[in-house]
Amino acid sequence: GAGVSQSPSNKVTEKGKDVELRCDPISGHTALYWYRQSLGQGLEFLIYFQGNSAPDKSGLPSDRFSAERTGGSVSTLTIQRTQQEDSAVYLCASSLEVSRWETQYFGPGTRLLVL
Amino acid sequence: GESVGLHLPTLSVQEGDNSIINCAYSNSASDYFIWYKQESGKGPQFIIDIRSNMDKRQGQRVTVLLNKTVKHLSLQIAATQPGDSAVYFCAENPRGGSNYKLTFGKGTLLTVNP
Repeated sequence: GAGVSQSPSNKVTEKGKDVELRCDPISGHTALYWYRQSLGQGLEFLIYFQGNSAPDKSGLPSDRFSAERTGGSVSTLTIQRTQQEDSAVYLCASSLEVSRWETQYFGPGTRLLVL
Repeated sequence: GESVGLHLPTLSVQEGDNSIINCAYSNSASDYFIWYKQESGKGPQFIIDIRSNMDKRQGQRVTVLLNKTVKHLSLQIAATQPGDSAVYFCAENPRGGSNYKLTFGKGTLLTVNP
């Protein structure tokens, strides 16, 4: 595609529900990154994928967060039993490969609100 | 009470003036820095980068200055335009750390008045 796309653009959910956020990277980009941006804050790194592999999951805030990537393209970030503190913008980025991490192209984000 | 996180540093300038946005970074081992621009409702967009072996780097209308002694980074925007209105983030990457792990600052909101 022309750029990184994310869906949904906005999500409102009730505390305790599970949510799934989707990221579609730029075609041909093998590296994919997830970030969280809380209100008025900078970006917090969550996890990255090289292909379908996520070598480092230490950035995920808790075990309620998981991510997967299949087919080396689309990735989903799943938050189980959502809490109000999970409310944030979740941003996805991709780069040609991890060695080209400096040049990351960001999607528009998914704005998650947990009531 | 109000959340400290809601209060982004702000800079308001007149169209045509030069803007200087500052960033203090924390890790003396950081050897690579990036400035991003984030417009409302969009993801961050790369503006310019600099490595620690440089003090200054220029792009189109933008200049980044790095002062390693005081761990300070600045972004200068020449002849600021209304389209420059956005939140600007600096990000650092520590030498010897995982290359993909950037540490972002909280950002500065730049407002350009026509």
